[in-house]
Amino acid sequence: KAGVTQTPRYLIKTRGQQVTLSCSPISGHRSVSWYQQTPGQGLQFLFEYFSETQRNKGNFPGRFSGRQFSNSRSEMNVSTLELGDSALYLCASRRASGTGVGSGNTIYFGEGSWLTVV
Amino acid sequence: AQSVAQPEDQVNVAEGNPLTVKCTYSVSGNPYLFWYVQYPNRGLQFLLKYITGDNLVKGSYGFEAEFNKSQTSFHLKKPSALVSDSALYFCAVRDEDNYGQNFVFGPGTRLSVLP
Repeated sequence: KAGVTQTPRYLIKTRGQQVTLSCSPISGHRSVSWYQQTPGQGLQFLFEYFSETQRNKGNFPGRFSGRQFSNSRSEMNVSTLELGDSALYLCASRRASGTGVGSGNTIYFGEGSWLTVV
Repeated sequence: AQSVAQPEDQVNVAEGNPLTVKCTYSVSGNPYLFWYVQYPNRGLQFLLKYITGDNLVKGSYGFEAEFNKSQTSFHLKKPSALVSDSALYFCAVRDEDNYGQNFVFGPGTRLSVLP
């Protein structure tokens, strides 16, 4: 069974540009969440999607956005990039339902997308 | 609000010795607790979780963790450390009674196993 797949793995962008990162969850997983990891701030939650709807959102500016498609694949977009956006962006998926069952289900991470803003 | 603390930034242990990586948590309801490991330039890998049942949970690579409700702790342990266990370890919690809440991760503990 394939794991969580993230593309691209590495990318370099210039300040002011925008970037789109892609995530394909484990087959059968309907929930996708995104995290930002930096040495100074650790792992910070960005947002979670389930059935194409955003369920939760972390404390990030509106420049950070995401979406989920009907096949559960997800993308996140960062507009007007800043130097401080340089980070490892991690996608995670889990089996979940809309009724709340499965709160304890494990989330599985992809290898991440390394973004460097110069 | 839920939170996780990992009181040690760094843990050093000699190969063959037992290791412990500490984690304490705070949730309003019943906790779901997880441990993940991250190797350099990789994503997080799931090690084990506590949902309910036995307080001692066994996971991957010989790791285990003990849930202690009175001390609100979920320490990760291994009887005999390997050099290959050197990595960054994250504890995470989710509140059973607040499904709308996301997972909260601790700051991480860097484990160094010395040969």
